[in-house]
Amino acid sequence: EAQVTQNPRYLITVTGKKLTVTCSQNMNHEYMSWYRQDPGLGLRQIYYSMNVEVTDKGDVPEGYKVSRKEKRNFPLILESPSPNQTSLYFCASSLPSGSYNEQFFGPGTRLTVL
Amino acid sequence: DAKTTQPNSMESNEEEPVHLPCNHSTISGTDYIHWYRQLPSQGPEYVIHGLTSNVNNRMASLAIAEDRKSSTLILHRATLRDAAVYYCILDNYGQNFVFGPGTRLSVLP
Repeated sequence: EAQVTQNPRYLITVTGKKLTVTCSQNMNHEYMSWYRQDPGLGLRQIYYSMNVEVTDKGDVPEGYKVSRKEKRNFPLILESPSPNQTSLYFCASSLPSGSYNEQFFGPGTRLTVL
Repeated sequence: DAKTTQPNSMESNEEEPVHLPCNHSTISGTDYIHWYRQLPSQGPEYVIHGLTSNVNNRMASLAIAEDRKSSTLILHRATLRDAAVYYCILDNYGQNFVFGPGTRLSVLP
């Protein structure tokens, strides 16, 4: 089944403890992206990647890192999480050009930073 | 960044057509108009997209104004499963895929 998977689905952590949220897709998509969703703000793009080893900042990249060493994986790294990063996170992927192809979204990761 | 404005919420009766409007007066010539929806407790899912001409697919139709400053997503017969938040998004090569607050659609039985 074609899908985007995220792990973990739920995570409670403490301020400053490094964490990684994994994202994997099995559709051979070049484009991948991370979003966060907060009440009243909709989804905001954190980082995106047009292909392996190519990443760019979205609207809200501060406090996050990403890497794209393989086509299928696009992990989101929080080196020193803070409470304002408590949010619902979505990973998405699509074929080469995001404009012309639908993005497939993962099920989401709910992160709480205490 | 090109932005969109949508009503916060709309209501529809089941099995009736629904027209969801979106204004995007600052759209550029190369911006595609995308619509996604988000069902409760799920990630967004693609609905439809277009550039200049009206578009139809199995889920919905997209009507784009001639000057491209507005568009309308049309659900031909709303079902209870269509209750969701609908997002209208302008996009250029996926580099700034901005979701606004969207329109929360309620479908009444």
